[in-house]
Amino acid sequence: KAGVTQTPRYLIKTRGQQVTLSCSPISGHRSVSWYQQTPGQGLQFLFEYFSETQRNKGNFPGRFSGRQFSNSRSEMNVSTLELGDSALYLCASSADIAGGRETQYFGPGTRLLVL
Amino acid sequence: AQSVTQLGSHVSVSEGALVLLRCNYSSSVPPYLFWYVQYPNQGLQLLLKYTSAATLVKGINGFEAEFKKSETSFHLTKPSAHMSDAAEYFCAVSQETSGSRLTFGEGTQLTVNP
Repeated sequence: KAGVTQTPRYLIKTRGQQVTLSCSPISGHRSVSWYQQTPGQGLQFLFEYFSETQRNKGNFPGRFSGRQFSNSRSEMNVSTLELGDSALYLCASSADIAGGRETQYFGPGTRLLVL
Repeated sequence: AQSVTQLGSHVSVSEGALVLLRCNYSSSVPPYLFWYVQYPNQGLQLLLKYTSAATLVKGINGFEAEFKKSETSFHLTKPSAHMSDAAEYFCAVSQETSGSRLTFGEGTQLTVNP
């Protein structure tokens, strides 16, 4: 079974631009979560989507948004980019079987550099 | 809110020596704990997870962790380090009963010396 895939793997943007990152979960997985990893703040939870609905949200400004499609693929968008948004953005998927405590499987990440 | 603390941002061991990476958690409910490993320029790979079925959890690559409620700890060990174990290791706790919404520790960079 193929793992979590993220595109693009690397991205360079300038301040003020917006960016969209894509994540395809493991086949059959319905939950997709996004995390930001920076040297200063470490790994931080952005949001989680399940069945096309945002189920959980971390403590990030409204410039960070996401969505999930009917095939469970997810995108996250960052508008009005700031230098501090430079980070590795990780996507994770889980099966989320009712009543189960599922494991999150991570993709390789998208490295975003904001100049 | 649940949290984890990893003691030691850098740990250095010799090849063949014991690896011990420390993680303490804070939780008011039975925690759902994980250890992940990250190699350079890669995502996170699950090493093992604690789900209350057993206090000693065995994972991949010879790693194991023991859940100690009295010490609120979930330390990661490996009897004999290999050069390929050099990586960054993260302890995490789930905020949700579904296992999602992970809160990570600060990470421990493991160096293995020949």
